[in-house]
Amino acid sequence: KAGVTQTPRYLIKTRGQQVTLSCSPISGHRSVSWYQQTPGQGLQFLFEYFSETQRNKGNFPGRFSGRQFSNSRSEMNVSTLELGDSALYLCASSQIAGGPLNTGELFFGEGSRLTVL
Amino acid sequence: QKEVEQNSGPLSVPEGAIASLNCTYSDRGSQSFFWYRQYSGKSPELIMSIYSNGDKEDGRFTAQLNKASQYVSLLIRDSQPSDSPTYLCASKGRDDKIIFGKGTRLHILP
Repeated sequence: KAGVTQTPRYLIKTRGQQVTLSCSPISGHRSVSWYQQTPGQGLQFLFEYFSETQRNKGNFPGRFSGRQFSNSRSEMNVSTLELGDSALYLCASSQIAGGPLNTGELFFGEGSRLTVL
Repeated sequence: QKEVEQNSGPLSVPEGAIASLNCTYSDRGSQSFFWYRQYSGKSPELIMSIYSNGDKEDGRFTAQLNKASQYVSLLIRDSQPSDSPTYLCASKGRDDKIIFGKGTRLHILP
């Protein structure tokens, strides 16, 4: 069973540009969450999508956005990049979202490492 | 702001000893708790989950939960050099957000 796939793995952008990251969840998983990881702040929750709807959102500015497609694949976009956006962006999938059947266990992709110059 | 707090370490433990990792959380509504490990340059992987008060054992790992004290711990018995990644504690609140601590680096001394 293929794991969570994130593309691209590495990218370099300059301030002011925008970037789109892609995530394909494990087959059959319908929930996709995005996290930003930096050495100083650790893993910070960005947002979660389920059935093409944003279920939860973290405390990030509106420059950070995402969406989910009908096949559960998800993309996140960061506009007007700032130096502080340099980070590892991790996508995680789980079978379902919410409710008593949701164990909350996340399966992470390898991440997209973004460097903003 | 809901938070999960961990000591950043590094926590140094002699090989073969018991490593004890601790975590506190601020959201009393949190229902589920997780320990992930993350090797340098790799993504986090789940090693233990715990949902009710008490101990849960899985091989060399034991997770402990005390909801009254809002405290979660992970014990690693017979510590091996391969047990030296960063350990991340996470909680899932009633809003289903999974919040992570910043992680504790573990260093097993040969």
